[in-house]
Amino acid sequence: NAGVMQNPRHLVRRRGQEARLRCSPMKGHSHVYWYRQLPEEGLKFMVYLQKENIIDESGMPKERFSAEFPKEGPSILRIQQVVRGDSAAYFCASSSTGADSEQYFGPGTRLTVT
Amino acid sequence: EDQVTQSPEALRLQEGESSSLNCSYTVSGLRGLFWYRQDPGKGPEFLFTLYSAGEEKEKERLKATLTKKESFLHITAPKPEDSATYLCAVQNTSGTYKYIFGTGTRLKVLA
Repeated sequence: NAGVMQNPRHLVRRRGQEARLRCSPMKGHSHVYWYRQLPEEGLKFMVYLQKENIIDESGMPKERFSAEFPKEGPSILRIQQVVRGDSAAYFCASSSTGADSEQYFGPGTRLTVT
Repeated sequence: EDQVTQSPEALRLQEGESSSLNCSYTVSGLRGLFWYRQDPGKGPEFLFTLYSAGEEKEKERLKATLTKKESFLHITAPKPEDSATYLCAVQNTSGTYKYIFGTGTRLKVLA
């Protein structure tokens, strides 16, 4: 049973470019969460999605960041006009339900903004 | 505001030297407390879920316990392969199911 998949694993963007991070949840999971891990900091929640719906985006910066989880295909975290401060590891997690179920994490995408 | 504090930040143990990692939490209502292991360059790997005070879970050399204010991850007779960062997270009963993570304990077990 394949785990959570993320791609690309490493992404380099110049300031002002767009970054697109993809996440395919575990088979049978319909809940997706995105977290960001800055160097020497803990994982910070960004957004929680179910198929075609954003449930909680309280951790997402108001500008330049967006997320989607379409009916078909992976969840996408999109960062427009990247800045150096966006350099971080971005992790996706999935769960089978929201409550009373563990979140399983992917390997992460390491974004470097030059 | 919900908060998780882990201590110590870093810990070096000799192989076979048992110890405990601490996770103190403040949460409006606890739905669950979760322990993960993270190796460098990888995503967090799920270890345990604890739901209520007094609960304990075990897996190989690891044992997690929970009180109303904190959780401990006990490591018995650790081996070098137990070296990793151990993360604690809480999920509250209100709102959605996001996790609030501590900053982790970096464990190094020396052979």
